[in-house]
Amino acid sequence: GAGVSQSPRYKVAKRGQDVALRCDPISGHVSLFWYQQALGQGPEFLTYFQNEAQLDKSGLPSDRFFAERPEGSVSTLKIQRTQQEDSAVYLCASSLAASRWVNEQFFGPGTRLTVL
Amino acid sequence: QKEVEQNSGPLSVPEGAIASLNCTYSDRGSQSFFWYRQYSGKSPELIMSIYSNGDKEDGRFTAQLNKASQYVSLLIRDSQPSDSATYLCAVIANRDDKIIFGKGTRLHILP
Repeated sequence: GAGVSQSPRYKVAKRGQDVALRCDPISGHVSLFWYQQALGQGPEFLTYFQNEAQLDKSGLPSDRFFAERPEGSVSTLKIQRTQQEDSAVYLCASSLAASRWVNEQFFGPGTRLTVL
Repeated sequence: QKEVEQNSGPLSVPEGAIASLNCTYSDRGSQSFFWYRQYSGKSPELIMSIYSNGDKEDGRFTAQLNKASQYVSLLIRDSQPSDSATYLCAVIANRDDKIIFGKGTRLHILP
């Protein structure tokens, strides 16, 4: 079956532009995670969904970041008024269980965002 | 002190030898530990998870956990060039149920 997919794979934005990053999790996976990975760093947790409910958004770095998963499947991470420090790879991961750390997380290929 | 620390490397190991990767963590109450492999330009993939003190073996990989000393390690036996990647240590922090990744150790297997 298909794995986690993300689009676009690459995004270049001018500073101040808004961007929307999409994640299609594995079908039937309850839990969905967003991470930000800067160059040379490990992924940093941004937010977590259980179905359509956003149960943890404590990792979102500012109120310019917003995530949603309205039907409990596809998720979108939106960044408003992008800044250069937002440049990173944004990873989406999904897992089968509702309990967020119980099952293996499967990562998508990521979206590399470059803000000029 | 960073919450999860790893030597960034690169760690160079001859093909066929044992590669030893180490990770220390600061939250003493942490219970869940993971090793991920990440090839350059690719996404992380889970190699091992470990929850109890001691060793856990899976093929050529062995994870070792010592909660008293707050370290977790990954041994790769019979290293292959295809093992060349960055290895990320991840810990579920007990105090806030968050996953914390280390920066990763770059491993280079010398043919």
